[in-house]
Amino acid sequence: EPEVTQTPSHQVTQMGQEVILRCVPISNHLYFYWYRQILGQKVEFLVSFYNNEISEKSEIFDDQFSVERPDGSNFTLKIRSTKLEDSAMYFCASRPNLRETQYFGPGTRLLVL
Amino acid sequence: AQSVAQPEDQVNVAEGNPLTVKCTYSVSGNPYLFWYVQYPNRGLQFLLKYITGDNLVKGSYGFEAEFNKSQTSFHLKKPSALVSDSALYFCAVRDIKRNRGSTLGRLYFGRGTQLTVWP
Repeated sequence: EPEVTQTPSHQVTQMGQEVILRCVPISNHLYFYWYRQILGQKVEFLVSFYNNEISEKSEIFDDQFSVERPDGSNFTLKIRSTKLEDSAMYFCASRPNLRETQYFGPGTRLLVL
Repeated sequence: AQSVAQPEDQVNVAEGNPLTVKCTYSVSGNPYLFWYVQYPNRGLQFLLKYITGDNLVKGSYGFEAEFNKSQTSFHLKKPSALVSDSALYFCAVRDIKRNRGSTLGRLYFGRGTQLTVWP
């Protein structure tokens, strides 16, 4: 059964550094999402992406964040200058169309020191 | 705005006993409701959803959920729990806001409930 994959599974970085979180959505899926979960808190929506552009972003998704689908298979989330409060589990999700359920990856645990 | 609440951080049940994981929601319009499960080191796995129709929805691994409009609840249930059901369970509601003619489909999640089934 096809799955959404994410790399790396864990990343530790220094405050102020740039990080890129990578996701490979299920092939033939057209809608892509990033969510995050700070330890002990809710899973929060960050951004949705369709047709090579952002469809919607939350208030969390400020100028430090960007997303890209560089090669038709990967979907990346970049944090330009990480802050301590960016430490969280980041989940990627995809779906083939808006009638279907979102399929989630295993997440990347980011720790900013 | 859409939101869900999971009032219990933890639920503990004995194997073979029925289990309930609670979820209440707040939406404008008709709710699209979901349950996801997360096993250690795995992603969020879809269990079941309610869009319309029968209030009792059946999903994977023997789970079911009951939609109750008057109580704005969507509790997850299983008649006989297994130790392997131990995991983190998330309730979610889907955004049905329209933008440029399309629904966007973002999910609003609860905080999650850790279910532990002991032998």
